[in-house]
Amino acid sequence: DTAVSQTPKYLVTQMGNDKSIKCEQNLGHDTMYWYKQDSKKFLKIMFSYNNKELIINETVPNRFSPKSPDKAHLNLHINSLELGDSAVYFCASSQVIDWTGTNEKLFFGSGTQLSVL
Amino acid sequence: GESVGLHLPTLSVQEGDNSIINCAYSNSASDYFIWYKQESGKGPQFIIDIRSNMDKRQGQRVTVLLNKTVKHLSLQIAATQPGDSAVYFCAENIGGSNYKLTFGKGTLLTVNP
Repeated sequence: DTAVSQTPKYLVTQMGNDKSIKCEQNLGHDTMYWYKQDSKKFLKIMFSYNNKELIINETVPNRFSPKSPDKAHLNLHINSLELGDSAVYFCASSQVIDWTGTNEKLFFGSGTQLSVL
Repeated sequence: GESVGLHLPTLSVQEGDNSIINCAYSNSASDYFIWYKQESGKGPQFIIDIRSNMDKRQGQRVTVLLNKTVKHLSLQIAATQPGDSAVYFCAENIGGSNYKLTFGKGTLLTVNP
């Protein structure tokens, strides 16, 4: 009954590899996100999707490609992994609350700790 | 310990005391604010939110105060418990269809039994 679930929880890989992180939400929300948390705990938005359409892309390298097959899923694929990609990646979702597209509070998954060696 | 190397602002309190965590936000156009709690190894968890047309909102053992004049947000936790030990983040949003929640630096709260 987890609201926002992401897999895997831990991901250890070599530089140059390609990897994916999956995310699913069962809250019926319209908007999903990927956030990156660095070693200093700083949380920064990477992408936002609303009803499968990309609405925010925060100057993330194009090695990162989000894909939303439906509004309940937002996966993150990373090509040619680099040492600096090591971080915790959080998926989140929120609900549009009015006709302007304003979203309400985010619900976060438990994170994927990515370690690039 | 968890705080080594993090350089987060820290607050250490005794169990049963009240805690106040402060946050300065950056954008005077922000109209929605949220406090999140993040325990070790978990994702951020919603605590309480407030819109810019209010200056105070209360929840269960928590109160958020908003001072738009000085762009300051605070979270008050009453009768702090060991389970309250976590990193606390404030977040702000300008609103509208390009929804983007911008997080503050985080404060590590440690509750001593």
